[in-house]
Amino acid sequence: EAGVTQFPSHSVIEKGQTVTLRCDPISGHDNLYWYRRVMGKEIKFLLHFVKESKQDESGMPNNRFLAERTGGTYSTLKVQPAELEDSGVYFCASSQKVYEKLFFGSGTQLSVL
Amino acid sequence: AQSVTQPDIHITVSEGASLELRCNYSYGATPYLFWYVQSPGQGLQLLLKYFSGDTLVQGIKGFEAEFKRSQSSFNLRKPSVHWSDAAEYFCAVDHSGGYQKVTFGTGTKLQVIP
Repeated sequence: EAGVTQFPSHSVIEKGQTVTLRCDPISGHDNLYWYRRVMGKEIKFLLHFVKESKQDESGMPNNRFLAERTGGTYSTLKVQPAELEDSGVYFCASSQKVYEKLFFGSGTQLSVL
Repeated sequence: AQSVTQPDIHITVSEGASLELRCNYSYGATPYLFWYVQSPGQGLQLLLKYFSGDTLVQGIKGFEAEFKRSQSSFNLRKPSVHWSDAAEYFCAVDHSGGYQKVTFGTGTKLQVIP
């Protein structure tokens, strides 16, 4: 069974550009989460989808971040325009049910120069 | 607000030696506590969790952790470290009653030397 897949694994962009990160959860997992780890700091919750609906987006830092999950399958996280402080590792995780174990992807390393 | 503190950023142990990684949490109610591990190039993997009951919990790969309410701690232990245990370890607490909205610590990098 395929795990949680994230694309790209690395992305280097310039300040002001747009970047789109993608997450493919495990098939059949209704719950999808985005987390972020800024260099040297803790991993922080960004948001939670249940199917295509945003259940909780309280962790989204500002309106430059837009997450979507059309059709309840894969999800994208767009940063537009990117700022230096957006650099970090973005993790995606999925679970079949809300109170079940999370399966994490290996993350996307985003560097904004 | 809840928080998780991992005081050790980096730890080096010899292969075969015992290991203890420290974790302290700040949370008003009974916490749900986790330890995750991230090996190079991999996603985070759940090692073990504490929800309630026996305060000594067993996890995968020979790890265990003990919940001590009086010390607000949830330290991770392993009696004999293997070279493959070299990774980054994250303590985490959930305040939503399950797995959904986990707050992680800053992580502890473990180096294992021959």
